[in-house]
Amino acid sequence: GAVVSQHPSWVICKSGTSVKIECRSLDFQATTMFWYRQFPKQSLMLMATSNEGSKATYEQGVEKDKFLINHASLTLSTLTVTSAHPEDSSFYICSAAVASSYNSPLHFGNGTRLTVT
Amino acid sequence: QKEVEQDPGPLSVPEGAIVSLNCTYSNSAFQYFMWYRQYSRKGPELLMYTYSSGNKEDGRFTAQVDKSSKYISLFIRDSQPSDSATYLCAMSGKAGANSKLTFGKGITLSVRP
Repeated sequence: GAVVSQHPSWVICKSGTSVKIECRSLDFQATTMFWYRQFPKQSLMLMATSNEGSKATYEQGVEKDKFLINHASLTLSTLTVTSAHPEDSSFYICSAAVASSYNSPLHFGNGTRLTVT
Repeated sequence: QKEVEQDPGPLSVPEGAIVSLNCTYSNSAFQYFMWYRQYSRKGPELLMYTYSSGNKEDGRFTAQVDKSSKYISLFIRDSQPSDSATYLCAMSGKAGANSKLTFGKGITLSVRP
């Protein structure tokens, strides 16, 4: 099956620093990847849609200058949380769909738990 | 009204029980319906994926979609302790790379040995 790998699985950083999270599709190409955020006991909230070779599309209320997304290849998208603050502490999850299949479901990575101190 | 409503739970059942999980939705444009299982501190794992109305069975899991009632269900037969997890329903109007999933809030299931 389609495998999505996310790295790191957890990270602790100091307030004001930046953190980069990688999302890779291991055995398929993904022209589109999605970034979600999940707070404890809450559902997944879509943050942005990452498109290979073009700018990401952000959901309403998500600061594009704070959450930088780069989708430089068909197998890699990165999310950089810039100038992180404690309120950015959350579980960040990426997902991807197989580019060659128009009706394939999304497969998710195992998430990155970010703690900002 | 939220686009997707899911029973909040939590739900606790004895091993071997039949579990019924449900979601309702308001957006008639939704065509693709999914159930994901999420273990603690892990990403969601796709369990069932259905298009439009009807039933789909995979082992102990059965997914039902009733578009006329805007209601979807996941049934788990012969539940096992390993089924203990959070179950999320999700849906979208498009599939694949064009899909933007809308999730339910999730329900935490505990299966007691």
